[in-house]
Amino acid sequence: QPVLTQSSSASASLGSSVKLTCTLSSGHSSNIIAWHQQQPGKAPRYLMKLEGSGNYNKGSGVPDRFAGSSSGADRYLTISNLQSEDEADYFCETWDSNTPSYVFGTGTKVSVL
Amino acid sequence: EVQLVESGGGLVQPGGSLRLSCAASGFTFSDHYMDWVRQAPGKGLEWVGRTRNKANSYTTEYAASVKGRFTISRDDSKNSLYLQMNSLKTEDTAVYYCALRITMIENWGQGTLVTVSS
Repeated sequence: QPVLTQSSSASASLGSSVKLTCTLSSGHSSNIIAWHQQQPGKAPRYLMKLEGSGNYNKGSGVPDRFAGSSSGADRYLTISNLQSEDEADYFCETWDSNTPSYVFGTGTKVSVL
Repeated sequence: EVQLVESGGGLVQPGGSLRLSCAASGFTFSDHYMDWVRQAPGKGLEWVGRTRNKANSYTTEYAASVKGRFTISRDDSKNSLYLQMNSLKTEDTAVYYCALRITMIENWGQGTLVTVSS
C-alpha cells in the first residue's frame, strides 16, 4: 500500500510563499494525488488533482495563489501571497490499485505568521 | 452547486449499531462513485470505503479496519448514500464525511459526529 509522507508543520509570513511536500513511497512514484485543505473546525475542501508530470487541475473557486508541481516521487503544493485564511491543515490523497483503497497523508499544519 | 449533507450521527454504546445518511444534490448522483471518510478527534483523515455507480454494479470496497462491520449502500432514486455501522468500537469515534469521487475526492460534506462510548 502506498504511504504518503508529509511534514507535520510549516510556517511563513503573511504575503510570502510556502511550499508543502507530499512524498510517495517506493513503487508508487507515478501516482496521481489530490491536495485537500482543512481550515480549523471545518470540513476538508478539495484543492487540486496533481499528476506526476506536474499537470494539475484545481477545484472550483480555488484561488490562483494555489499551484501544484511534481518531481519524481514528490508532489508539491505552493501557496503564494499567503493569507490568514490559508492557515489550515493540508492533506494529500492517493489511490492504491492493489487493495484497492485510498490513503491520506498525515497532513501538514500551515501557520501564517 | 454540489451539496452533500450527512445525518444520523450520535452517541452509541460499544457493540451497537448506527446508520448514517448523506443527501446529495447539485449533480447527477447516479453517475458517480461515492465515498465515506472519517476523522477521529484531533487526528488525520481515514478512508472508510466507497461504492461504485450502477454502471459498475454498485460494487463496494472497504478499509481493513471496518471490513465486515460497515456496509455502504446507496439509493439513486433518493440521491442518498448510507453507511451502516455494526459492532461499533470506541476507536470508531470520529466525524464521518460523505464525499463525491470523480477520480479523487472532489467534494466533501460537512460531516456528522459518531461517538462510541459507554
